[in-house]
Amino acid sequence: EAGVAQSPRYKIIEKRQSVAFWCNPISGHATLYWYQQILGQGPKLLIQFQNNGVVDDSQLPKDRFSAERLKGVDSTLKIQPAKLEDSAVYLCASSPLKGELFFGEGSRLTVL
Amino acid sequence: AQKVTQAQTEISVVEKEDVTLDCVYETRDTTYYLFWYKQPPSGELVFLIRRNSFDEQNEISGRYSWNFQKSTSSFNFTITASQVVDSAVYFCALSGERGGSYIPTFGRGTSLIVHP
Repeated sequence: EAGVAQSPRYKIIEKRQSVAFWCNPISGHATLYWYQQILGQGPKLLIQFQNNGVVDDSQLPKDRFSAERLKGVDSTLKIQPAKLEDSAVYLCASSPLKGELFFGEGSRLTVL
Repeated sequence: AQKVTQAQTEISVVEKEDVTLDCVYETRDTTYYLFWYKQPPSGELVFLIRRNSFDEQNEISGRYSWNFQKSTSSFNFTITASQVVDSAVYFCALSGERGGSYIPTFGRGTSLIVHP
């Protein structure tokens, strides 16, 4: 079974530039999550989708971050404009209903 | 609001020692779920275990065991006879159920270093 796919694995940008991350969840998983993990900290939920609807985006900085889940499958997370404090690993995870989360390898963002 | 506290930032042991990673949680939900994840240096979070709030039975899986005590809001994780490959950051997570799905809140993690 293929796991959660994320790209790119690494991205370096200047502050005020924009960046987009892509996630392809495990086939059949209804729920998709984006987490932000800053070095030395635990993952922090940014947004959760169930199918193509948003369940929770209370911690998403909506002035600069946006996310969508097209047709209830793939998802993209965009940051525009990026700030220095956005440097982190962005983790995508998916789960079946009432199941544990399966994580991708993450996308490491460095903002200079 | 949910909160997970992993008070141990880093633990260093020598191979074959037993080690316990502590996890204390706070929640107002009566039904909730607890998880442990492992994050090796490669970075991918690997699921280890999920328990629900109605099941306080301790669980053992090989060298891993988990002690869930609702009375103290703790869900501790013990590795017996640790090995170098156990070196990783371990996260405890808590989730209530919302609309049929989980929204896990993670602790800050405990970095375990196992020396040969």
